[in-house]
Amino acid sequence: AQKVTQAQTEISVVEKEDVTLDCVYETRDTTYYLFWYKQPPSGELVFLIRRNSFDEQNEISGRYSWNFQKSTSSFNFTITASQVVDSAVYFCALSEAPTTSGTYKYIFGTGTRLKVLA
Amino acid sequence: DSGVTQTPKHLITATGQRVTLRCSPRSGDLSVYWYQQSLDQGLQFLIQYYNGEERAKGNILERFSAQQFPDLHSELNLSSLELGDSALYFCASSASTGMVYGYTFGSGTRLTVV
Repeated sequence: AQKVTQAQTEISVVEKEDVTLDCVYETRDTTYYLFWYKQPPSGELVFLIRRNSFDEQNEISGRYSWNFQKSTSSFNFTITASQVVDSAVYFCALSEAPTTSGTYKYIFGTGTRLKVLA
Repeated sequence: DSGVTQTPKHLITATGQRVTLRCSPRSGDLSVYWYQQSLDQGLQFLIQYYNGEERAKGNILERFSAQQFPDLHSELNLSSLELGDSALYFCASSASTGMVYGYTFGSGTRLTVV
């Protein structure tokens, strides 16, 4: 069965520190997609990135970077030089190929609350 | 503004009552998904509609129902409300399949049952 584990419930860092949020997933499919979403205190869910299972290249977007390693079933998210505005709950999600009925499974991890202190 | 509109933003109601949450998907998106986010349960998938038809069901209670109308907006109906139904209800939309492109979420409806 598919599963997404974000073992870190809450992380606190001081501004300008680097922080890595862990995401470990389980799936039997060879084709799947991984996502990260951010939920700031205002409550909305913001899409950050998607990665397909065939592309293990790491990605960098400004202060954000993602490390996808199929060998360890991990898709970790690093924020470099963290800022107070990065304070949010971050969710990792997994999407698998559609079933024979056309539906597909899309599940979220339980989230990691990041607090960046000034 | 994500393009997904949810109304109302906040709702306070009493136990036993019925409420309707509304969602308008992003322009061009055919799929609508409903999620419940409570403090102790994280994000739980409730139900998906695609172009008016139910496509997938998650942990949706029998007291809850949803539908997607011809104009693609969706409504989530919650009846016989209990205190435990207090949560943030998100609607999300996607193109034909959210598998590839992920979802666009609305800002949520915060339901408080008293």
